[in-house]
Amino acid sequence: GAGVSQSPSNKVTEKGKDVELRCDPISGHTALYWYRQRLGQGLEFLIYFQGNSAPDKSGLPSDRFSAERTGESVSTLTIQRTQQEDSAVYLCASTSTGTGPYEQYFGPGTRLTVT
Amino acid sequence: AQRVTQPEKLLSVFKGAPVELKCNYSYSGSPELFWYVQYSRQRLQLLLRHISRESIKGFTADLNKGETSFHLKKPFAQEEDSAMYYCALSVLGAQKLVFGQGTRLTINP
Repeated sequence: GAGVSQSPSNKVTEKGKDVELRCDPISGHTALYWYRQRLGQGLEFLIYFQGNSAPDKSGLPSDRFSAERTGESVSTLTIQRTQQEDSAVYLCASTSTGTGPYEQYFGPGTRLTVT
Repeated sequence: AQRVTQPEKLLSVFKGAPVELKCNYSYSGSPELFWYVQYSRQRLQLLLRHISRESIKGFTADLNKGETSFHLKKPFAQEEDSAMYYCALSVLGAQKLVFGQGTRLTINP
């Protein structure tokens, strides 16, 4: 079956512009996660959705970052007024309820470059 | 705060040699630890988790609570083991993973 998909695969934007990154989880997966990976660094947790609710937003670095999920499916991560330090690969992962956080299936990522 | 440390960013060994990727964690509770792997041009995927006490692709990892470590080992490295490896900690009661910075393993022929 289809895995987690993300779009776009690459995004180049100018500083100050807004961007939207999309994640389509595996069908039926109730939990969805966003991570950020800066060059040469590990994965940084951003936000977690259970259904359409986000019980843990603790990783969002600033109020320029927001995310939503609809229909217990697609999620969008929005970055407003992008800064150069936002340049990174943004990864999405999903898992089904009851399997714990470790059964995460990752998408291919969106590489964001802010010029 | 929870933390995962992978002290080696790069590790290079020869084919057939033993390999050990180090992982240390900091967590006051009972940890659940995992290794994820990312092969070239592939997605990040789960390799193994300590609770299963399994061996995947010849790799094993033992949780040592005294040393707060979860090192990944393989007795005889193969070229296809070349990849990026991440150690991750699951925080009890929280639906998230804390990842280390990763180790890029290169197996030389």
